[in-house]
Amino acid sequence: AQTVTQSQPEMSVQEAETVTLSCTYDTSESDYYLFWYKQPPSRQMILVIRQEAYKQQNATENRFSVNFQKAAKSFSLKISDSQLGDAAMYFCAYRAFQGGSEKLVFGKGTKLTVNP
Amino acid sequence: DTEVTQTPKHLVMGMTNKKSLKCEQHMGHRAMYWYKQKAKKPPELMFVYSYEKLSINESVPSRFSPECPNSSLLNLHLHALQPEDSALYLCASSRSGTSPYNEQFFGPGTRLTVL
Repeated sequence: AQTVTQSQPEMSVQEAETVTLSCTYDTSESDYYLFWYKQPPSRQMILVIRQEAYKQQNATENRFSVNFQKAAKSFSLKISDSQLGDAAMYFCAYRAFQGGSEKLVFGKGTKLTVNP
Repeated sequence: DTEVTQTPKHLVMGMTNKKSLKCEQHMGHRAMYWYKQKAKKPPELMFVYSYEKLSINESVPSRFSPECPNSSLLNLHLHALQPEDSALYLCASSRSGTSPYNEQFFGPGTRLTVL
């Protein structure tokens, strides 16, 4: 079974600075998808960025980028020019397949605080 | 429309009550999900429906009964719950299949309290 590990329960960053959230995973598959989801306080979860394992190029979405190291099974999220609205729980997720359907395997999450 | 709606937003029920949670999407998605999320924890998958058929049940107790009456609606029927079932219940939907763009869209959740 696939597992996802986020080793940083909490992180903080100053506004306008850069922060990196760590994620490692374990899988025996060669092709898969990884995601970072953001869950602000009392607001719904939204997708931040996705990475396809067969693509060597790291995904980028505006201020958000990933460092995907397939051999090391590492998938970190870098947030540049941090904003107050980035404060949230961030979940790393692995997309697994079971019974013909897909499911997300989540890490335990990292709570990000942005200090003004 | 990229929205998943859930009703009610909050629900308080006794252990002998019967209640239902409702989830709706109009994105044409054919896969729908129920998750349970405790405070400061990640969502835990409960059920997956694909093309209105139950495809994954993560060994959820029978006091939770899912129903997918059509491709836009997903219900979760609750009966004889325990206080430890108090949590945020999230619904999500996605396109079915193996496309890399099968992003799951989440609803805002129903905050359930069992007394």
